[in-house]
Amino acid sequence: DTGVSQDPRHKITKRGQNVTFRCDPISEHNRLYWYRQTLGQGPEFLTYFQNEAQLEKSRLLSDRFSAERPKGSFSTLEIQRTEQGDSAMYLCASSLGAGDNNEQFFGPGTRLTVL
Amino acid sequence: GNSVTQMEGPVTLSEEAFLTINCTYTATGYPSLFWYVQYPGEGLQLLLKATKADDKGSNKGFEATYRKETTSFHLEKGSVQVSDSAVYFCALSDKAGGSYIPTFGRGTSLIVHP
Repeated sequence: DTGVSQDPRHKITKRGQNVTFRCDPISEHNRLYWYRQTLGQGPEFLTYFQNEAQLEKSRLLSDRFSAERPKGSFSTLEIQRTEQGDSAMYLCASSLGAGDNNEQFFGPGTRLTVL
Repeated sequence: GNSVTQMEGPVTLSEEAFLTINCTYTATGYPSLFWYVQYPGEGLQLLLKATKADDKGSNKGFEATYRKETTSFHLEKGSVQVSDSAVYFCALSDKAGGSYIPTFGRGTSLIVHP
């Protein structure tokens, strides 16, 4: 399978715990995006990388959230001190190129439930 | 800031009916426009796109035309099938400060009955 993969697919955690999600993009794609999606809403942009550089962060990305893409390949999204409001589907997408009209390929998502 | 507004769903149609899903946008720049589709149990995938005014994107019988004067990108299909049942997301990508920030609508669910 050469698509975008995410791990884990589901995560249940208690409030206050830290969680980390992983995204493996399509291998030759230089751009990688993270989104959050809640029920009945579209994906909300969180951040994106071009190669290993984090180029943009949404104001939705509080200090408790951090993302890395150390070698320009896979990426991790960490949420520290989780809150119930963090419960959502976290989507990763990748694309090839530097323009604004390039197709994004989405992974299946990681569903986070904070108890 | 940028925003995308889609008609609320669900849209329920009989097979072979005509489909329109409305999408309007606001953007600070000159965005590219997209429709993504999410079939049950699957991830989002690109359906079609348009990058400049009056461009028409098309795929799998779906069409949408970039209307700058009305800031719209309505999705149409002449004859829907049961297999078109899915959630459809309108989106834009706009260059703001040198970076391309994607903005998605909330999605419109389409249910097609045999």
